Amino acid sequence: DQQVKQNSPSLSVQEGRISILNCDYTNSMFDYFLWYKKYPAEGPTFLISISSIKDKNEDGRFTVFLNKSAKHLSLHIVPSQPGDSAVYFCAASKYGGSQGNLIFGKGTKLSVKP
Amino acid sequence: GAVVSQHPSRVICKSGTSVKIECRSLDFQATTMFWYRQFPKKSLMLMATSNEGSKATYEQGVEKDKFLINHASLTLSTLTVTSAHPEDSSFYICSARHPGGAGEKLFFGSGTQLSVL
Repeated sequence: DQQVKQNSPSLSVQEGRISILNCDYTNSMFDYFLWYKKYPAEGPTFLISISSIKDKNEDGRFTVFLNKSAKHLSLHIVPSQPGDSAVYFCAASKYGGSQGNLIFGKGTKLSVKP
Repeated sequence: GAVVSQHPSRVICKSGTSVKIECRSLDFQATTMFWYRQFPKKSLMLMATSNEGSKATYEQGVEKDKFLINHASLTLSTLTVTSAHPEDSSFYICSARHPGGAGEKLFFGSGTQLSVL
C-alpha cells in the first residue's frame, strides 16, 4: 500500500523554466511533509519541508505547496538550473517530523537541460 | 553540514553468508538512527529504528533475527544481514537524526548496494 505516491518517475525541463514535481498521499494523519534531493552515489539531502498547518513554504528558488483537501503537494523550482538535475523524493510523517520515521515516495528524476 | 558515513558502498556476497553494514555520524552524536531498504523502482522503506543502548524497533514484516541492528555508541549503528539470500539483494541506506531535530535534521548515508549471489 503506497501511502506516498510520486506518479512521475521522470521529468525533463529546460534551463530557466519552472520545474513542478508532484506528490500525492493517502493517509490523512500525515502532518509534516518534506522534499529530499539525491544525486547519484550520494544519500538524500533535505531540501524543504512544510507543516500541515501551512499551505505554502518558500525558500529561495524552491517553493512547496500543500493542498490538504486534495492530499497533494508539489515542489516548484524556478528558475530551474542544470545543477538541479537529481532525483527528488517526497516524504511524509505523522509526528510533525520529530520521530524521523518518514514514508517516502519512489522519487522523480529531474533533468534540467541547458 | 553534518556528515553520515556509510560503508561499504557496495558488497557482493555468497548466499548463506552474513554481511555487516556500518553507519557513522562523523560530527554529531546520534541517539537515533534509521535503516531503510530500497528495491528497484520502489520507495525507500523504513526497516527499523536504532536507538543507542537499547534494542532496535523493527517495522512490520522485517525479520529482526535476519537483520541484526546494533547501536552500541552514539556515533555508530550497524546492520548485519545474516544468512543472506538472493532476495535480500537491495539498496540499504541509513540516516541519523541530529539532536533536537525534526525530519529535516535527518542526515543520510550514501547507501550500500548489496548483491547476494
